[in-house]
Amino acid sequence: KAGVTQTPRYLIKTRGQQVTLSCSPISGHRSVSWYQQTPGQGLQFLFEYFSETQRNKGNFPGRFSGRQFSNSRSEMNVSTLELGDSALYLCASSSGGADTGELFFGEGSRLTVL
Amino acid sequence: AQSVSQHNHHVILSEAASLELGCNYSYGGTVNLFWYVQYPGQHLQLLLKYFSGDPLVKGIKGFEAEFIKSKFSFNLRKPSVQWSDTAEYFCAVTRSSGSARQLTFGSGTQLTVLP
Repeated sequence: KAGVTQTPRYLIKTRGQQVTLSCSPISGHRSVSWYQQTPGQGLQFLFEYFSETQRNKGNFPGRFSGRQFSNSRSEMNVSTLELGDSALYLCASSSGGADTGELFFGEGSRLTVL
Repeated sequence: AQSVSQHNHHVILSEAASLELGCNYSYGGTVNLFWYVQYPGQHLQLLLKYFSGDPLVKGIKGFEAEFIKSKFSFNLRKPSVQWSDTAEYFCAVTRSSGSARQLTFGSGTQLTVLP
C-alpha cells in the first residue's frame, strides 16, 4: 500500500513569510504526527493529530500550528518564518491505537528560510 | 522531562565487524523503547521496539537490542555488519503512560561500514 506522502518536498521561503506543508497518511491510519529535524537539535516532536483533534503538542512556539481533515490528511503551518525554522519537517502516520509503537514516516519537506 | 543520549555520533566499521550502538535515556517511569534507521536517501523506518517482556528484542536485518532497566540503556547490536547497514540510527523513547506517537529521539549515530 502507498506510504506517507508529504508535499512539497523542497521549498524556499524568506523571513517573515508563512508556509503550509501537507501530509497524506497511509490509508486507514488516523494518527498523524509532525517532527522537525535539524542538524543541531535532531528530531523534535511538534504535534500529533488524531481524528481531527490535536492530541499532543511539543514545545514549539505558537507560530507552529496544524490541523487534520476528516480524511486524516494533515497540514502544518509556520507563520512569520525565522531563519531557525530551516529544517526537514517529517510527518509520520500510525493507526493511532493506544498500544501501537510504530510510526511510518514520510520523506519529509525540506524548508529553507532565507 | 525525558531525554535520550546516543554517545557515538559517528561509527566506522569494516564489514563483518560487530556493532554496538549505545542508547541511554533519563526517565524514572516505565518506558517504551525504539530504534529507527534512516538509510541514505530513504525515510525513517522502525528497526525494533521494546514494550514489555523479554528484554532482548530482535528486529529486522539481524539487529537486536537489550533493555537493561538498571542502566537505563537500550543498546543496539549486530554480530556482523554489512556495507548495506550504512545509515543513521536513532534511539527513541516514549513514556508508557503517554502517547506512543510522542517520541523523544536521540541525536542519532551515523554508521559507516567500509567494504
